[in-house]
This record gives sequence, C-alpha cells and structure tokens, in this order.
Amino acid sequence: EAGVAQSPRYKIIEKRQSVAFWCNPISGHATLYWYQQILGQGPKLLIQFQNNGVVDDSQLPKDRFSAERLKGVDSTLKIQPAKLEDSAVYLCASSRPGTFSGANVLTFGAGSRLTVL
Amino acid sequence: GIQVEQSPPDLILQEGANSTLRCNFSDSVNNLQWFHQNPWGQLINLFYIPSGTKQNGRLSATTVATERYSLLYISSSQTTDSGVYFCAAYAGNNRKLIWGLGTSLAVNP
Repeated sequence: EAGVAQSPRYKIIEKRQSVAFWCNPISGHATLYWYQQILGQGPKLLIQFQNNGVVDDSQLPKDRFSAERLKGVDSTLKIQPAKLEDSAVYLCASSRPGTFSGANVLTFGAGSRLTVL
Repeated sequence: GIQVEQSPPDLILQEGANSTLRCNFSDSVNNLQWFHQNPWGQLINLFYIPSGTKQNGRLSATTVATERYSLLYISSSQTTDSGVYFCAAYAGNNRKLIWGLGTSLAVNP
C-alpha cells in the first residue's frame, strides 16, 4: 500500500509569515494525526481527526494554528502567523480505528521540516 | 494521567552488541507500539505488541501487561539501528496515544 504522503518536505519562512502543510493518509485510514516534533524531543500531538471530525485538539495553539480534513481524506495544517518557536518537523500519521488486532497502529509520513527565521 | 517512561535515555553500542530497551507504564494501557526514528527523522512502526512476544529479524519485543512494562531487544546491532526508539500506548478509551521520551541509540562501527 502507498504510504502517508506529506508536502512540502522543507519550508523556510520568516516570523509572522504563514505556511501550510498537506497530508494524504493511507487509503482507508479513518484516523489522521498531526504531530509537532521539536529537535531532541518526542512527537507532540497537535490534532487528531476521525474521518472529518476532531477527536482531540487540546494541544493545538488555536490562536495561530488551524487544521482541516475536508471529506475525511486529505488534511491541511496551517500556521499564521509563524513564530520562531514553531520551527519543528510536522509529522502526519494515519491509522485504522477499531478494536481488532492491528487497529490504531500508526503509519507516519516523512514529515515537513519548518524553519522560522 | 498515564505516564510512559523509557530507559535508558541514551545508549551507545559497538556494532554486534545486544541491547534491551525498557518501557514502563503507570497504569493499564492498550495497543502498545514501538517506533524507530532514524537519523533522517522518519518514524517507523516496529511492533504492535499489546501483550506477549513478537520477533522481526534481529528485533523482538515483549509486553507483560499485568506488570506494566514492555521490552525491546536488539541483537547483533548494526549502525543502521542508530536513532531514537519510542514506545507509545493508548490509555483509557483508546482515543489518545501516550508517548515515552525515547531512548537515543548510537551504534558505532
């Protein structure tokens, strides 16, 4: 099966500019996750979708970050305006929800590395 | 909330050595998974191991859910095993994945 696709792979912007990241999950995976990973730290969940509904966005800085998953497939994560501390890798993952064996096993994309100057 | 603790935080091995990484969790968890993040940042799911033992080549994992821990074994380590190993598990109603802080492994030639 095709993996989780993300773009762009790299982005450099100046502070106060905006940026958008795109994710296409594995076909049939209803659950989609956006993680932020700052250098040297573990992944931090920003938002989790089940189909096109939000399951958890408790750690999403909603004053500057937004995410949508129209039609329950592709997703876009936007940052506006960006701050220096937003420099990180933004990882998208997907999984099939359920209680069967192998459910909720995450597959990650390659990530989008953001540098804010 | 549930805590997931990994040890050791850092590990340096000579190529060919064996190692054991540990993941402790503070309460009952579900769907425990082990991940490897390579030096280029790609996160790969190694094992889905809610209980019991699984093996994949030189890697194997064991979860003893009743005692709230999981172990990842790396045998005959290679330089390509370098990177960070994370364990993560779902708590409660399976809606939120809790991550450990990772074990950073460096395998020297």
